[in-house]
Amino acid sequence: EAQVTQNPRYLITVTGKKLTVTCSQNMNHEYMSWYRQDPGLGLRQIYYSMNVEVTDKGDVPEGYKVSRKEKRNFPLILESPSPNQTSLYFCASSLVGGFGQPQHFGDGTRLSIL
Amino acid sequence: GDSVTQMEGPVTLSEEAFLTINCTYTATGYPSLFWYVQYPGEGLQLLLKATKADDKGSNKGFEATYRKETTSFHLEKGSVQVSDSAVYFCALSAKNRDDKIIFGKGTRLHILP
Repeated sequence: EAQVTQNPRYLITVTGKKLTVTCSQNMNHEYMSWYRQDPGLGLRQIYYSMNVEVTDKGDVPEGYKVSRKEKRNFPLILESPSPNQTSLYFCASSLVGGFGQPQHFGDGTRLSIL
Repeated sequence: GDSVTQMEGPVTLSEEAFLTINCTYTATGYPSLFWYVQYPGEGLQLLLKATKADDKGSNKGFEATYRKETTSFHLEKGSVQVSDSAVYFCALSAKNRDDKIIFGKGTRLHILP
């Protein structure tokens, strides 16, 4: 089954404790992206990757890191999480970036930073 | 820059009512337009799309027509069901490489039995 898989689905942690949210897709998609969803703000893009070893900042990259060493994986790293990063996070992928391609989303990761 | 504006929610309707969720956009060129749906506890799913002016996207009884003259892509359904309760996002993607998808803020829909 074609899917985008995120782990963990839920995480409660404390300020400053490094964490990684994994994202994997099995559709051989070139483009992958991370979003955060907050009430009243909709979806905001954090980082995206057009292909392996190519990553770029989205609209709200501060406090986050990403890497794209393999085509299928695109982990999101919070080196020193803070309470303002409490949010619902989504990973998404598409066949290519741009060109009007629709995106496929994971089921989300709810992070709570205390 | 490109942007998407959709009606604020929540929208509450009775079962079998007619639904319209308004969406307008600002973009240079001729973007592709999308509606995504997010059911509780899940990620966004593509509901329908249209890639050029006057195209009509349709799926699961929902429809939206790409109106270039009014820069709109309103979502409609003739008879909603309780299972349609979800958050709906309008989005656009310009057709150039490197152009990202721009999402509206979402409209929460509640359908009462």
